[in-house]
Amino acid sequence: GAVVSQHPSWVICKSGTSVKIECRSLDFQATTMFWYRQFPKQSLMLMATSNEGSKATYEQGVEKDKFLINHASLTLSTLTVTSAHPEDSSFYICSGGPYSNQPQHFGDGTRLSIL
Amino acid sequence: DQQVKQNSPSLSVQEGRISILNCDYTNSMFDYFLWYKKYPAEGPTFLISISSIKDKNEDGRFTVFLNKSAKHLSLHIVPSQPGDSAVYFCAASEGGGTSYGKLTFGQGTILTVHP
Repeated sequence: GAVVSQHPSWVICKSGTSVKIECRSLDFQATTMFWYRQFPKQSLMLMATSNEGSKATYEQGVEKDKFLINHASLTLSTLTVTSAHPEDSSFYICSGGPYSNQPQHFGDGTRLSIL
Repeated sequence: DQQVKQNSPSLSVQEGRISILNCDYTNSMFDYFLWYKKYPAEGPTFLISISSIKDKNEDGRFTVFLNKSAKHLSLHIVPSQPGDSAVYFCAASEGGGTSYGKLTFGQGTILTVHP
């Protein structure tokens, strides 16, 4: 079945650092991928829709200048948390699929801890 | 504003018995509902879904029931097996049958099946 690979799985870094998270589709091409975030004891919340070759679409309340999304190829979307602060510590996870009208497949997520 | 709610944080069931996981939603525009299963350190994996035009969908041991008037859905697992122990997320989409990537998730229910 469709596989989504996410890297890294765990990041610990100092406040002010920018962190890049990669999301790759291994056996399909994805014109669209999705980025979610989950804070402790809360649901997965959609942050943005990543569109290959064009700008990402951000959900209300998500700062596009802080969470930079790049989808330069049909198999790779990246999320960069710029100048990360402790309040950005969260679980970030991406999803994608070969067909938009079918359930998407999730990566294994990235646990980000900002000290 | 939690549009999808799973009010039971956890559920414990004996092996062989039925597991019933519940989910309530408030947005009447949701037209497609999904259940995802998540093991520790892994991303959610798609389990079963139901369109709003149906009230039941069955796949092996898993059955999802939808009560639109009550804005309620449930996942039945029978018979339950120890390998079913995981976190179960309810999710909803208002994609009109064309986009299942933009999902609204519940908080999840931890299912433990005892041998």
